[in-house]
Amino acid sequence: DTGVSQDPRHKITKRGQNVTFRCDPISEHNRLYWYRQTLGQGPEFLTYFQNEAQLEKSRLLSDRFSAERPKGSFSTLEIQRTEQGDSAMYLCASSPGVLAGVGEQYFGPGTRLTVT
Amino acid sequence: ELKVEQNPLFLSMQEEKNYTIYCNYSTTSDRLYWYRQDPGKSLESLFVLLSNGAVKQEGRLMASLDTKARLSTLHITAAVHDLSATYFCAVAPDVDDMRFGAGTRLTVKP
Repeated sequence: DTGVSQDPRHKITKRGQNVTFRCDPISEHNRLYWYRQTLGQGPEFLTYFQNEAQLEKSRLLSDRFSAERPKGSFSTLEIQRTEQGDSAMYLCASSPGVLAGVGEQYFGPGTRLTVT
Repeated sequence: ELKVEQNPLFLSMQEEKNYTIYCNYSTTSDRLYWYRQDPGKSLESLFVLLSNGAVKQEGRLMASLDTKARLSTLHITAAVHDLSATYFCAVAPDVDDMRFGAGTRLTVKP
């Protein structure tokens, strides 16, 4: 399978716990994006990486959220001290970048987080 | 702030009839994307429109872009059940800043 993969697909956690999600992009893609999608809404941009560098963070990304992409390969998104409002689908996407194509982003299956 | 508005948000279609979804955006952009999302699934890329006047067609779907009007349309010809899904448009005014509309939920009824 050469698509974007995410793990886990579903996560149920209690309020106050920390959670970590993983995304493996398409191997030749140097750009990786994280989005959050709540029910009935479009994806909202959280952050993105070019290789290992985190280039932009949305104001939606509070201090409880942190993302890494060591060595420019897979990425992790950690949420500390989860709140019920964090319940959402977390989507990862990758792209070869505009210079290598049309800027199209390829999305993974998502991780659905439920905070109880 | 960039706004991307889709209209309508819900569309109940009859089989074999034609419909159009509209996507308006508030700032200059030469890149517009259409995605499809089935319930509980991720987003599937449908079209990438890169210039004013661009038109792309795939099966019963046709997308067009008018950058001067800041408007894209997704036209559905002779709707069939397997087109039932949520369709999102997304605009990328900067190289890596993709903003999505709220989505249009299509349902095709016999």
